[in-house]
Amino acid sequence: ETGVTQSPTHLIKTRGQQVTLRCSSQSGHNTVSWYQQALGQGPQFIFQYYREEENGRGNFPPRFSGLQFPNYSSELNVNALELDDSALYLCASSLSFLAGINEQFFGPGTRLTVL
Amino acid sequence: GESVGLHLPTLSVQEGDNSIINCAYSNSASDYFIWYKQESGKGPQFIIDIRSNMDKRQGQRVTVLLNKTVKHLSLQIAATQPGDSAVYFCAETSGTYKYIFGTGTRLKVLA
Repeated sequence: ETGVTQSPTHLIKTRGQQVTLRCSSQSGHNTVSWYQQALGQGPQFIFQYYREEENGRGNFPPRFSGLQFPNYSSELNVNALELDDSALYLCASSLSFLAGINEQFFGPGTRLTVL
Repeated sequence: GESVGLHLPTLSVQEGDNSIINCAYSNSASDYFIWYKQESGKGPQFIIDIRSNMDKRQGQRVTVLLNKTVKHLSLQIAATQPGDSAVYFCAETSGTYKYIFGTGTRLKVLA
């Protein structure tokens, strides 16, 4: 069984640029959630994707967008990067919450630095 | 609003002692709680969970206690080892898509 993987591991961008982060969910999981974790803080929910559609969203602006593909992998896109976007971005996969409460399995994260 | 917080930002314990990490939550509708361990440079790792219809759940060396009356969650680690050094997060959900995490407690195990 393959766990959650994310790419790239690290990324450096400059303010105003755009970035795409990628996530492959754990085998058998059809739901992907994205979180932002600032240094010294707990993860903050960005949004969740289920069956290729956004299933819920946290308090993040529209410049944070995502996609889910038929194989359940997912992308997080951030436009017009700001310095405060520097953080660890975590992807978590799970079975659909419609089947009941399910544990989320996290990937190792992508460390984004915005200069 | 909804929040999950922790009382102590850093906890230092002697190797072999028991550790207790606490968490308070404010959403009375929350019905599933999870403890995660996060080591430096890694994503959160599931430790143990508990549903709201339970007061206590035990795992290997870990126990989670849930007090719904005062909205309090705790993680007990028995015979703390150096490998237990990490940041511990509690998280809660009310069965929706959203998990709410606390700010974390750093556990330092002293030799």
